[in-house]
Amino acid sequence: KQEVTQIPAALSVPEGENLVLNCSFTDSAIYNLQWFRQDPGKGLTSLLLIQSSQREQTSGRLNASLDKSSGRSTLYIAASQPGDSATYLCAAPNAGGTSYGKLTFGQGTILTVHP
Amino acid sequence: NAGVMQNPRHLVRRRGQEARLRCSPMKGHSHVYWYRQLPEEGLKFMVYLQKENIIDESGMPKERFSAEFPKEGPSILRIQQVVRGDSAAYFCASSPPGESTDTQYFGPGTRLTVL
Repeated sequence: KQEVTQIPAALSVPEGENLVLNCSFTDSAIYNLQWFRQDPGKGLTSLLLIQSSQREQTSGRLNASLDKSSGRSTLYIAASQPGDSATYLCAAPNAGGTSYGKLTFGQGTILTVHP
Repeated sequence: NAGVMQNPRHLVRRRGQEARLRCSPMKGHSHVYWYRQLPEEGLKFMVYLQKENIIDESGMPKERFSAEFPKEGPSILRIQQVVRGDSAAYFCASSPPGESTDTQYFGPGTRLTVL
């Protein structure tokens, strides 16, 4: 059974800082890993999808890395802005059996970037 | 290509009533997943469906909850005799046919409030 853990649970930083969000998963037989953003009362926005064959993926100021052997992924946010304030969720899929594709989510990291 | 659509976006029900939540997957997608986000909790998998088939319902409560994805029309998540503990955000996601390694695309969610 896949379990996903995210640390820290909450993070508050001043604008401009670079920061790292951490995600760990127990079942390394994954074919990809996703990072999502969720604003309060809103749906999920997919940020980055890293395939198992990739080590990292970049989009703008975001960079996500994946280390299957250690069961870890990190989301790096460069030059943070107040608009980055949101909850960041990491999700790992089930890679086998009838539950193929089912996502297990971490509890999320609540990020606050203050001006 | 419209994204995943869910309706209604907000639903208020009194205890004992029925709630019906609808999800229209992206065009060409034949896999539908339902997730629930209880207040102050993470997203939890409920059920995975393909057209006319329930593939995995391991996350569904044993009573009062049912889901379907008919040959024609949207996927429906039905909650009978709602209780206050059913108040949550319900998200639907879809993905293309086959054992795809693509991302799941999420709808905006339906926020159910039980009075």
